[in-house]
Amino acid sequence: GAVVSQHPSWVICKSGTSVKIECRSLDFQATTMFWYRQFPKQSLMLMATSNEGSKATYEQGVEKDKFLINHASLTLSTLTVTSAHPEDSSFYICSALVARALMNTEAFFGQGTRLTVV
Amino acid sequence: TQLLEQSPQFLSIQEGENLTVYCNSSSVFSSLQWYRQEPGEGPVLLVTVVTGGEVKKLKRLTFQFGDARKDSSLHITAAQTGDTGLYLCAGAGNNDMRFGAGTRLTVKP
Repeated sequence: GAVVSQHPSWVICKSGTSVKIECRSLDFQATTMFWYRQFPKQSLMLMATSNEGSKATYEQGVEKDKFLINHASLTLSTLTVTSAHPEDSSFYICSALVARALMNTEAFFGQGTRLTVV
Repeated sequence: TQLLEQSPQFLSIQEGENLTVYCNSSSVFSSLQWYRQEPGEGPVLLVTVVTGGEVKKLKRLTFQFGDARKDSSLHITAAQTGDTGLYLCAGAGNNDMRFGAGTRLTVKP
């Protein structure tokens, strides 16, 4: 299967600072990547769709100025949590779509990043 | 907006029992995937179903795609404690993918 690498796997930061999370497709090109947030014992909540070379599309209720997404190349998307606060503490996961064949698209996920804001 | 409805949300069973998880939608999907996620990790793809009516088996797991490609089910036979996790279905549309809310399965010894 396709490999998506997410870094860092965990990070602790002070309130008010910014944190950058990277998502890389290692063996394929990803024109579209997705960023999710997951609270304990809950499902994935789509935050935004990251498109290579253009602006990200944010889901309703997600602050685009707080969660900055950059997709500058076909293998890298970054999510920056700006001016982080304790309520931003969560598990953040990225994924990329791979078109296997006509009518068959699969998503592959990064390992996730556990963000703790203190 | 959750386009895919998964049921049940939570399921706790004894080892050795059988179970079925359902994934329903009013939309037609070109393909549907099932994922399993363990705590602290990203979801891992289990299977992709593409053809209406398709049935795929993965050891004790049986996946079925509805004839109209709007729904799917996951059946686990003789569940084991190692099956514990969050099971997610996802439907692929035009360059996006939407997830169900997930079914959190706990298999007790």
